[in-house]
Amino acid sequence: AQSVTQPDIHITVSEGASLELRCNYSYGATPYLFWYVQSPGQGLQLLLKYFSGDTLVQGIKGFEAEFKRSQSSFNLRKPSVHWSDAAEYFCAVRTPGNTPLVFGKGTRLSVIA
Amino acid sequence: DTAVSQTPKYLVTQMGNDKSIKCEQNLGHDTMYWYKQDSKKFLKIMFSYNNKELIINETVPNRFSPKSPDKAHLNLHINSLELGDSAVYFCASSHLDSGKLFFGSGTQLSVL
Repeated sequence: AQSVTQPDIHITVSEGASLELRCNYSYGATPYLFWYVQSPGQGLQLLLKYFSGDTLVQGIKGFEAEFKRSQSSFNLRKPSVHWSDAAEYFCAVRTPGNTPLVFGKGTRLSVIA
Repeated sequence: DTAVSQTPKYLVTQMGNDKSIKCEQNLGHDTMYWYKQDSKKFLKIMFSYNNKELIINETVPNRFSPKSPDKAHLNLHINSLELGDSAVYFCASSHLDSGKLFFGSGTQLSVL
């Protein structure tokens, strides 16, 4: 079965600094990969997804992620963080077919002035 | 209009009670889900329905019974509530074979 690891439970960055959130997955083939964001008291919103093709994908709110097959990773990046980016970020995977979306345990992002 | 709406937003109840959470989506999706988010923010799939038929049923106590009267609705009924059921429950919807889930804003269940 597929699994997702987000090694960082909590990250703090300064406003305007760059950001990288790590995600590693475990699956024999290439799964479908996603990043979701959860603001406090809200549901989850999709930031971006990777199914195939170009390994660098662009998402909403200025986020991007790069799929690296050799490292089984799908790290999320943003060049300049805004205070409104403070939230919980979830990496998720699913395999083709009738399978559920499996989430990592999330990384909480704090942004300081 | 809210795409995925669930009610109530907060639910506080005593152990042993029976309660329901309702979910509706107006996106025309064919698949709906219930996820449970624990106090450590871990999200775990509970159920998935496609066109009113159950397609995913993870290891969930049979006190939890989902019901899908039509494609736009997926309700969750919980019998004999226990302290460990306290969590945030999220409803979501999507087209089958898409990972783009649209989530409701959650129902925070507190069992006292």
